[in-house]
Amino acid sequence: EAQVTQNPRYLITVTGKKLTVTCSQNMNHEYMSWYRQDPGLGLRQIYYSMNVEVTDKGDVPEGYKVSRKEKRNFPLILESPSPNQTSLYFCASHGRGGLYNEQFFGPGTRLTVL
Amino acid sequence: DQQVKQNSPSLSVQEGRISILNCDYTNSMFDYFLWYKKYPAEGPTFLISISSIKDKNEDGRFTVFLNKSAKHLSLHIVPSQPGDSAVYFCAASADDYKLSFGAGTTVTVRA
Repeated sequence: EAQVTQNPRYLITVTGKKLTVTCSQNMNHEYMSWYRQDPGLGLRQIYYSMNVEVTDKGDVPEGYKVSRKEKRNFPLILESPSPNQTSLYFCASHGRGGLYNEQFFGPGTRLTVL
Repeated sequence: DQQVKQNSPSLSVQEGRISILNCDYTNSMFDYFLWYKKYPAEGPTFLISISSIKDKNEDGRFTVFLNKSAKHLSLHIVPSQPGDSAVYFCAASADDYKLSFGAGTTVTVRA
């Protein structure tokens, strides 16, 4: 089954404690992205990757890091989480040439930073 | 500053009637527009899209209209069904890898 998986689905942590949210896709897609969803703001792109070892900032990259060492995985790293990073996070992927018609989203990770 | 705006946070419609969702954008470089549907506890799923070279695209009960001069698009759902109750996001892009989303409109279809 074609899918994007994220782990964990729910996470409560404290300010300053480093965490990683994993994202994996099984569709051999080149493009992957991370978004955060906040009330009244919709989804905002944090980082995206066009292929292995190629990443770039989205609209709200501050406080986040990413890496793309393998095509299927695109982890999101919060080195020192703060309460304003409490949000619902989505990973997404799509293939080259498919534009966004074929963009698949993961189920989401709800993060709470105390 | 949000480049894609959905000014109606919610919409309530009776089953069988038409749902009309609106979206405005400010970036004239956007050339591809999409609507996504999202149920609680799930990720968004693609619904329908339109290229800037068209002014209408239809897929079953869903039709998207684009008015480039007004920088406005709308999604029509006819007839509305209970399973259409969800949050709908408008999105726009100017390239292959960046999407800008609106804040979403929650649609409730009443029986």
